[in-house]
Amino acid sequence: GDSVTQMEGPVTLSEEACLTINCTYTATGYPSLFWYVQYPGEGLQLLLKATKADDKGSNKGFEATYRKETTSFHLEKGSVQVSDSAVYFCALSPARSGTASKLTFGTGTRLQVTL
Amino acid sequence: GAGVSQSPSNKVTEKGKDVELRCDPISGHTALYWYRQRLGQGLEFLIYFQGNSAPDKSGLPSDRFSAERTGESVSTLTIQRTQQEDSAVYLCASSLVWDRDHEQYFGPGTRLTVT
Repeated sequence: GDSVTQMEGPVTLSEEACLTINCTYTATGYPSLFWYVQYPGEGLQLLLKATKADDKGSNKGFEATYRKETTSFHLEKGSVQVSDSAVYFCALSPARSGTASKLTFGTGTRLQVTL
Repeated sequence: GAGVSQSPSNKVTEKGKDVELRCDPISGHTALYWYRQRLGQGLEFLIYFQGNSAPDKSGLPSDRFSAERTGESVSTLTIQRTQQEDSAVYLCASSLVWDRDHEQYFGPGTRLTVT
């Protein structure tokens, strides 16, 4: 079945450092890929998405490119802020038409940014 | 507008008791999903509702788990004869249309602890 693997945390960075959180997936066909974020005390919210190969999703300075050849969707940010401290989840939605948009999630990566 | 709400926010129950968890989706959202997040793991899909179609129950872990939805409104997830392994955060999400690319909006979750 479908699966998502992402790097284990926690990841601790100083403010303004570069961030990469690795995510790889296993799925049939051409799934849609997502990054969700959960800030402390808040619900899960969509950060960015990409629906086909070579698409780049971006939001709030974060980017991720859908790489079918490496089945990856790594999350990157050039300069992190303390306010980016959160748990980040990589997820995919199946490619098959006529099915539910149920999401398959990775285990989450906790990011802590310090001054 | 109001987001997805869930109640209770926390529930502690004794092993063997039944529990009911409630989800109020965003008004007008036709699709509703339940997920479970056990400690240190990713979110697992449980069940999905779309309008009057038969729900996709493929993620329910056992026959102790069931869910209902009245029309396009409130949903209740019921766990009978709870076990310690049922301890988790139960998340509900809703979306506008039955479309794999459409954003799912998550509630804050119900933290269930089975003692």
